[in-house]
Amino acid sequence: QSVLTQPPSVSGAPGQRVTISCTGSSSNIGAGYDVHWYQQLPGTAPKLLIYNNNYRPSGVPDRFSGSKSGTSSSLAITGLQAEDEADYYCQSYDSSLRVVLFGGGTKLTVL
Amino acid sequence: EVQLVESGGGLVQPGRSLRLSCAVSGFTFDDYAMHWVRQPPGKGLEWVSGISWNSATIGYAASVKGRFTISRDSAKKTLYLQMNSLRAEDTALYYCTKGSGGYTHVDSDYWGQGTLVTVSS
Repeated sequence: QSVLTQPPSVSGAPGQRVTISCTGSSSNIGAGYDVHWYQQLPGTAPKLLIYNNNYRPSGVPDRFSGSKSGTSSSLAITGLQAEDEADYYCQSYDSSLRVVLFGGGTKLTVL
Repeated sequence: EVQLVESGGGLVQPGRSLRLSCAVSGFTFDDYAMHWVRQPPGKGLEWVSGISWNSATIGYAASVKGRFTISRDSAKKTLYLQMNSLRAEDTALYYCTKGSGGYTHVDSDYWGQGTLVTVSS
């Protein structure tokens, strides 16, 4: 069981908006450590999607956005497209455990 | 162009050792933290180990602490992971990642394609 908790799956129809949550604790997200999000398309290596809570690397569409509040973070995807079907992971750092953490991952299905 | 190329994976018996390598190019290796992240077949990502730009800060997941050793060679621009006392649960695709900064708590902005380690008798 991951220290960063994500829903195992979410789904949405094309064009809709979905959100994926990432819940941590006072020793990681709540301690002020940044949250990063990765997208892993089937059969490929993960790709950085959002860094430092709400910044998009060059080339990532503005349909993807991130936010952070308290001990949680969220990834929002608007205008859902078939190509967004993938696994999504959040990442942060834990000062108590002194380790980098990944969430358990969320599988996004585009209906 | 940033490139991370892992090698050294394969089939190994439980209790044996393996050393993974990650040859990098396209950026100043000495300026960035590096990590190993693994993914068991059909499962999620697990951070294994990270090393800061100057090797002063090194961290390990609890599951590998005492068995795995991360290191970096600036002359060869290569990251290593020495894996000893391997167990079946270490079976995974091992990714090498580049940190976006010098310290280990930052995001990984580039990932290699991975090298598969299978621990089985």
